[in-house]
Amino acid sequence: DAGVTQSPTHLIKTRGQQVTLRCSPKSGHDTVSWYQQALGQGPQFIFQYYEEEERQRGNFPDRFSGHQFPNYSSELNVNALLLGDSALYLCASSPDSNYGYTFGSGTRLTVV
Amino acid sequence: QKEVEQDPGPLSVPEGAIVSLNCTYSNSAFQYFMWYRQYSRKGPELLMYTYSSGNKEDGRFTAQVDKSSKYISLFIRDSQPSDSATYLCAMRTSGTYKYIFGTGTRLKVLA
Repeated sequence: DAGVTQSPTHLIKTRGQQVTLRCSPKSGHDTVSWYQQALGQGPQFIFQYYEEEERQRGNFPDRFSGHQFPNYSSELNVNALLLGDSALYLCASSPDSNYGYTFGSGTRLTVV
Repeated sequence: QKEVEQDPGPLSVPEGAIVSLNCTYSNSAFQYFMWYRQYSRKGPELLMYTYSSGNKEDGRFTAQVDKSSKYISLFIRDSQPSDSATYLCAMRTSGTYKYIFGTGTRLKVLA
């Protein structure tokens, strides 16, 4: 049973560019959350998607946007990249908000 | 003051020891608690998920929640070198879907 799959695993972008990260949730999971983890820090909540709608958003600027597709997969888009956006971006899925979250291995984004 | 506090470590223990990892928090409304293990450059792996107070055991792991003290613990019995990782706690209230994570405690189990 495949867990949460994220792509790509690594990415290097130039300041000002745009990036799209992808996530396939674990089978049977319909809720997808995105987190940003800076080096040496705990993950920070970006937003959560359920039924193709953004259900809740964390303290991230509008440059961060997302989408959930009918098959529950999700994308995270970041526009106008800043050096400070360099981090590990984690996707987590769950079958319901009252269950623990299963994380993917993440996409390591480096902005130069 | 951060909502969730964890000692960053590193915590070094000999193989076979019982490990105690802790988090304190300031928001008394937190109801859902999770513990994750994260190896270097990998995503977090869910170890324990608990709701409200009490204890929960799964194999070598025991999670405790003391809401009166705003304190949660993860105990690892018979620790192994493969347990060497960063341990993250996370928690949320019932009125939100956003989990607040601690910064993690680095554990080293010495063979």
